[in-house]
Amino acid sequence: GAVVSQHPSRVICKSGTSVKIECRSLDFQATTMFWYRQFPKKSLMLMATSNEGSKATYEQGVEKDKFLINHASLTLSTLTVTSAHPEDSSFYICSVAGAKRDEQFFGPGTRLTVL
Amino acid sequence: GESVGLHLPTLSVQEGDNSIINCAYSNSASDYFIWYKQESGKGPQFIIDIRSNMDKRQGQRVTVLLNKTVKHLSLQIAATQPGDSAVYFCAENRRSGYSTLTFGKGTMLLVSP
Repeated sequence: GAVVSQHPSRVICKSGTSVKIECRSLDFQATTMFWYRQFPKKSLMLMATSNEGSKATYEQGVEKDKFLINHASLTLSTLTVTSAHPEDSSFYICSVAGAKRDEQFFGPGTRLTVL
Repeated sequence: GESVGLHLPTLSVQEGDNSIINCAYSNSASDYFIWYKQESGKGPQFIIDIRSNMDKRQGQRVTVLLNKTVKHLSLQIAATQPGDSAVYFCAENRRSGYSTLTFGKGTMLLVSP
């Protein structure tokens, strides 16, 4: 499967600041990447689907102006949490779609804590 | 709405036992199912998958069973080891040809030495 990395692995920020999380596909050209959010002891919830070179498709209830997604290349997608608030504290995980369209390979996640 | 759910939130077993984790799904149109393992603070790790044209698939120490009649999926882990301790999620692909997964709620597997 594809090897996926995320940076940073952990970030702590003050309320009102913006945070950028990077997702890289290290050995696979990913035309589609996904961003998930996971609260403690909960399941993964899909936030948005990111296609290289086009606008992301957001799931219902996810604010596109708050969670900015950029997928400028086949190996990099970024998620920017704008004007972060404590309720945005969560574990953010990205994944890439595999060669078989219904496969996904996940990154290690980024723990965001907003003070 | 339709969702994927799990019967047991926590399963505690002894090392060497066989473990069975269950998952119920409600979307009869789903045609691809995956089991993931997630250790604390890490991303999900692929374990095994199965397509709807199969009812059983085996991997190394793991077996997935699919019963489409009752919309039930299970993961069997043979000779469970402490390293198997993690949260296990089932996921379904509801749209054939598209890589969009819906995750179940997860089951915590605790393996005692």
